[in-house]
Amino acid sequence: EAQVTQNPRYLITVTGKKLTVTCSQNMNHEYMSWYRQDPGLGLRQIYYSMNVEVTDKGDVPEGYKVSRKEKRNFPLILESPSPNQTSLYFCASSFIAAETQYFGPGTRLLVL
Amino acid sequence: AQSVTQLDSHVSVSEGTPVLLRCNYSSSYSPSLFWYVQHPNKGLQLLLKYTSAATLVKGINGFEAEFKKSETSFHLTKPSAHMSDAAEYFCVVSEPRGGYQKVTFGTGTKLQVIP
Repeated sequence: EAQVTQNPRYLITVTGKKLTVTCSQNMNHEYMSWYRQDPGLGLRQIYYSMNVEVTDKGDVPEGYKVSRKEKRNFPLILESPSPNQTSLYFCASSFIAAETQYFGPGTRLLVL
Repeated sequence: AQSVTQLDSHVSVSEGTPVLLRCNYSSSYSPSLFWYVQHPNKGLQLLLKYTSAATLVKGINGFEAEFKKSETSFHLTKPSAHMSDAAEYFCVVSEPRGGYQKVTFGTGTKLQVIP
């Protein structure tokens, strides 16, 4: 089944404790992206990747890192999480950026 | 600069009546436009997309949208609302920007369907 998977789905952590949210797709997509969703703000792009080893900042990259060492995986790293990073995070992929994006189920993060 | 405005944060309709969710955009180029739906506690799913072919785009579950360049609008409609349509809907614009595509989401419209 074609899908985008994210892990974990729910995470509670404390300020400053490094964490990684994994994202994997099995559709051989070139383009992958991370978004955060906050009430009243819609989805805002954090980082995106056009292809392996090519990543760039989106609209709200501060406090986040990403890597794209393989086509299928695009982990999101929070080196020192803060409470303002409490949010719902979505990973998405598509063949190219202009095409339909396929979204993962979301990761709900609470930073205390 | 690229932007998307969803004119209503909440829309409430009775079951069986028409649905209209409004979206205006601004873009310096010929954009691709999308509508996605998010059901409670779910991820996002594509409803339909416009990519410079026919201006009236048909999507899944009876939804359609019309691209009006002169009005810079891409409103989503459905003739008859069903209870299962209750969800949040996002209008999205994507345009080329210096070798990559800039993707911008609207802030969303929550659709309530009253029995």
